[in-house]
Amino acid sequence: DVKVTQSSRYLVKRTGEKVFLECVQDMDHENMFWYRQDPGLGLRLIYFSYDVKMKEKGDIPEGYSVSREKKERFSLILESASTNQTSMYLCASSSGQGRHNEQFFGPGTRLTVL
Amino acid sequence: DQQVKQNSPSLSVQEGRISILNCDYTNSMFDYFLWYKKYPAEGPTFLISISSIKDKNEDGRFTVFLNKSAKHLSLHIVPSQPGDSAVYFCAASLDGNKLVFGAGTILRVKS
Repeated sequence: DVKVTQSSRYLVKRTGEKVFLECVQDMDHENMFWYRQDPGLGLRLIYFSYDVKMKEKGDIPEGYSVSREKKERFSLILESASTNQTSMYLCASSSGQGRHNEQFFGPGTRLTVL
Repeated sequence: DQQVKQNSPSLSVQEGRISILNCDYTNSMFDYFLWYKKYPAEGPTFLISISSIKDKNEDGRFTVFLNKSAKHLSLHIVPSQPGDSAVYFCAASLDGNKLVFGAGTILRVKS
């Protein structure tokens, strides 16, 4: 079974703090993704990576950065957390082999910025 | 500008009856569509998919229908069970890797 784990289930941070969200997958997947889920807006893509050291902006990258130093690990960084970044953050991975690839999701991190 | 729309925020269905969840898209270049199911405090899990070259795909109680001319797809669950109560997300793919998600529909199956 593919397993995608996220470092925290719940996180509370203060405005202006630097926040790191970690994601690890154990299936040797090429592709990794970070989304945020907000009511009425669904899942919106923040950043993605198709290879180690590679990153591309998704639909809402502002205020975020990412790091992929190892194939299995994809980190999301909030450089200076703001209250509008309070959300559920979901990490996903997919194999990158073949034409269409199912994405496997982690359990999510509920981030609250006070 | 949402390329994938799920216009019903919620749906309530009696156990044993059919649940129909709808999804519309605007980009005719999408060539693969997926449905994901999400329980509270869990990540979404893949449910069923369909390629744009097909108009129907079935997997047990779940069937997805695609109407390309109308840019519309639907997920049918027959019969609905209380355990099906979850948020259902429709997603579409352009390049085989990135997905564009709809806002989700909350399904409640009443026993």
